[in-house]
Amino acid sequence: EAGVAQSPRYKIIEKRQSVAFWCNPISGHATLYWYQQILGQGPKLLIQFQNNGVVDDSQLPKDRFSAERLKGVDSTLKIQPAKLEDSAVYLCASSLGDREGETQYFGPGTRLLVL
Amino acid sequence: EDQVTQSPEALRLQEGESSSLNCSYTVSGLRGLFWYRQDPGKGPEFLFTLYSAGEEKEKERLKATLTKKESFLHITAPKPEDSATYLCAVRGSSYKLIFGSGTRLLVRP
Repeated sequence: EAGVAQSPRYKIIEKRQSVAFWCNPISGHATLYWYQQILGQGPKLLIQFQNNGVVDDSQLPKDRFSAERLKGVDSTLKIQPAKLEDSAVYLCASSLGDREGETQYFGPGTRLLVL
Repeated sequence: EDQVTQSPEALRLQEGESSSLNCSYTVSGLRGLFWYRQDPGKGPEFLFTLYSAGEEKEKERLKATLTKKESFLHITAPKPEDSATYLCAVRGSSYKLIFGSGTRLLVRP
C-alpha cells in the first residue's frame, strides 16, 4: 500500500515570496492533516480536513497561510507572503476517519527554508 | 490545556545497554497515547497506541507502558539501527494530537 506522498521535498525561497506544498493521502483515507515541525520540536497541527470540509484550522495563521482539499483527495498548503519564522518541515498526514484513537500516517515532509 | 513533556531530550547508549524514555502528559479525557519514531529527513513512523493505564504493547526491542500520568518506552538491548527521535503524542477531548518535543536516541556500536 502506498504511503502519504508529498512534494516538493525541499524548497528555498526569500521572505515575502509565496510557496505551495502538495499532499496525496493514503487511498481511502477521509481525514487529512497538515502539521508544521520546527527544528527540535514536535509537529504542531495547522489544519485538519474531513473529506472536503475543514474540521479544525484554529492554529493556522490565516493572514498568510491557506489550504484546500479539492474532491476530498489531494491537498495543497500555501504560504503568501513567507516570513523567516516559517522555516520548518511541513508534514502531511492522513487517517481513515476521525475516530477515537485512530492512527495518523505521515508523509516524508517538505523542508522549507526562508531566507 | 493538553500538554506533553518528554525526557530526556537526548540519550546516548552503548549497543545492548537497555534504558527507558519518559513521556509525561496532562490531558482532558485521554483518547489515546501514541508513540512515533522519526528518522532524520523523514516523517514520523507509527509505533504504538495505548488507551488505558496498565496497558502495555511490544514490538521487537521496544515496549510501551502507560500510567495515568506518564508513558514509558523501554528499549531492551538496543542496536545502532534503533537510533532515531522518539515522539510521544496524546489525543484528548479536542481530538487533536498534541506532540512532545521528542527524545533523540543515539545507540553506539
